[in-house]
Amino acid sequence: AQKVTQAQTEISVVEKEDVTLDCVYETRDTTYYLFWYKQPPSGELVFLIRRNSFDEQNEISGRYSWNFQKSTSSFNFTITASQVVDSAVYFCALSEFGNEKLTFGTGTRLTIIP
Amino acid sequence: NAGVTQTPKFQVLKTGQSMTLQCAQDMNHEYMSWYRQDPGMGLRLIHYSVGAGITDQGEVPNGYNVSRSTTEDFPLRLLSAAPSQTSVYFCASGERDQSSYNEQFFGPGTRLTVL
Repeated sequence: AQKVTQAQTEISVVEKEDVTLDCVYETRDTTYYLFWYKQPPSGELVFLIRRNSFDEQNEISGRYSWNFQKSTSSFNFTITASQVVDSAVYFCALSEFGNEKLTFGTGTRLTIIP
Repeated sequence: NAGVTQTPKFQVLKTGQSMTLQCAQDMNHEYMSWYRQDPGMGLRLIHYSVGAGITDQGEVPNGYNVSRSTTEDFPLRLLSAAPSQTSVYFCASGERDQSSYNEQFFGPGTRLTVL
């Protein structure tokens, strides 16, 4: 069975600080997909990134970056120079190859203090 | 494209009442699913469908029924609402592509309260 753990329930940082959200996953499959979603206070789910298990390259998109390490089964998300608009709940999720079902972590509530 | 739409946005039910949460997508996606979101528990899969006429259970299917008569629509039925079904419900759709998996698109959610 697959499992996603987001041990950080809530994080608060002062604006412009960097912050890293942790995600640890478990799966028996060798091919799988990892996702990050953002849920702002308005409630919708916003897709941020998808990563295939065979691609361990880190990815950067503006102030966002993702560190994928298969050796530690982690897919961490870093926001650089945080902004108030980054305040949201962030979910990490996993799906196995050939199976569209997503397993979500419990989410990390990020608050950026102005 | 409207993407994934859900109706209603808010609903209050009394225990024992039945209702249907509507979900529609206009992207011709084969895969559709329903999740519920509860505080501290993330999103959990209720039911899913890999195409018209095909449905299956997810992690928390009890108390819910689904059907998929068309590619576009995937309604979720609560037969006899219980307070434990108070939650936010999300519908999602996505393509089925074994070579390169695509992200799922989520609807705006339905906030359901059962008194």
